[in-house]
Order: sequence, then C-alpha cells, then structure tokens
Amino acid sequence: EDQVTQSPEALRLQEGESSSLNCSYTVSGLRGLFWYRQDPGKGPEFLFTLYSAGEEKEKERLKATLTKKESFLHITAPKPEDSATYLCAVLNGNKLVFGAGTILRVKS
Amino acid sequence: NAGVTQTPKFRVLKTGQSMTLLCAQDMNHEYMYWYRQDPGMGLRLIHYSVGEGTTAKGEVPDGYNVSRLKKQNFLLGLESAAPSQTSVYFCASSYSIWGSSYNEQFFGPGTRLTVL
Repeated sequence: EDQVTQSPEALRLQEGESSSLNCSYTVSGLRGLFWYRQDPGKGPEFLFTLYSAGEEKEKERLKATLTKKESFLHITAPKPEDSATYLCAVLNGNKLVFGAGTILRVKS
Repeated sequence: NAGVTQTPKFRVLKTGQSMTLLCAQDMNHEYMYWYRQDPGMGLRLIHYSVGEGTTAKGEVPDGYNVSRLKKQNFLLGLESAAPSQTSVYFCASSYSIWGSSYNEQFFGPGTRLTVL
C-alpha cells in the first residue's frame, strides 16, 4: 500500500532559524512528488514538483530535494509569513497520495 | 480568472439529509478531483474525473456520488449524510494527471461540512 509519512508533525522556529521538513514515501511507481503549502481555512497551494532522484527546486526561501525514498523541504532564514502547513504528496499512477502534513510556526 | 471555486463554504446537516457540493473551474482543465481532509489524516481522494462525462472512484468513495456533466463543473453528492462525513471537502483540477509539466493540481477554498 502506498504510504507518505511527514515529519515532524509540528515545528516551531525562530525567525531566521533554518531547518528542514521530511517526507518519506513507499510507492510502487513514483511518477512525481509534490509539495504544497496550506494556510488555515484555505486550500493547498502548489509549490514544487520533483520527478527524479537528485532533482532540486527552489523558490524564495524554500528548496525541495528528492532521493529514492524521501524528499526534504529546506527552509532558509524563515520569516513569520512562512508559517503554514506543508503537505507532501506522491503521484502513483493517476492519483495523488498525501501525507498528513507538517505544521510550521515561525516566531519573530 | 477565479480559478477553482466551491459552494457552499459551510453547511450543517442532520443525519440522513442529502446535499450536493458544487465545484467550478475556469482554467479549461480536463481533470477534476474531490478530496476530504480530516485532522491527522491528510487529504484523501474521494472521486475524480478525467474528462466531461467520466468519473472514477478514489480512496474513500463510499457514501458519495459524483457527476461531471460539464467540463467546468464537478458535483459531489451525499445521499444520506452520516456523522462520519463531517470533514472539510476540497475540489481540485489539473491539466493532466501525470507525464507532463502541467500536472500540478489547483485547489478550491474548501467546504466545511458538519453532520449532526
């Protein structure tokens, strides 16, 4: 059965304190790994898609990387506006399988 | 462009009542999806559609029905609501499911449903 596990469940950072979120997966045929950001009371907002091990993508303070078994979302010098839930999902065939998410809080 | 819109935003039902959630997208996407999101469980796929007139079951389809009569609309129905269907429902759409650069899914703002 396809599984996506995100860790930690919650993360509190001080403004400027860099860290990483983890997404580990077991899927029979990975066709893509997606990162989304979700603000309270809103729908998920697309951030990145990664397709193959070794691939990296960046957007402002966020950088996503992919290995054969996991993906990391690195947050460099975070700001309070980076506070959100970050969701990871894998594309297996024609369906997205989501992890439960990591709740990130950045304090000034 | 409005993107993906959902109506209603909130709804309270009594056990056994029925209702329909409407999703509309103005991006000319072929694929549309319905998810539910529960605390600690992430988003789970209920049903999806790969084009007008088509529907398919997702991970948790029981108790729900869907229809895609027009390309831009995807309806989710609850025939006889149960407390276990209390959740936040999200609709999403995409150009394609996999194999291209345009397969990211765009989500609506969600519908918060409570079944008493």
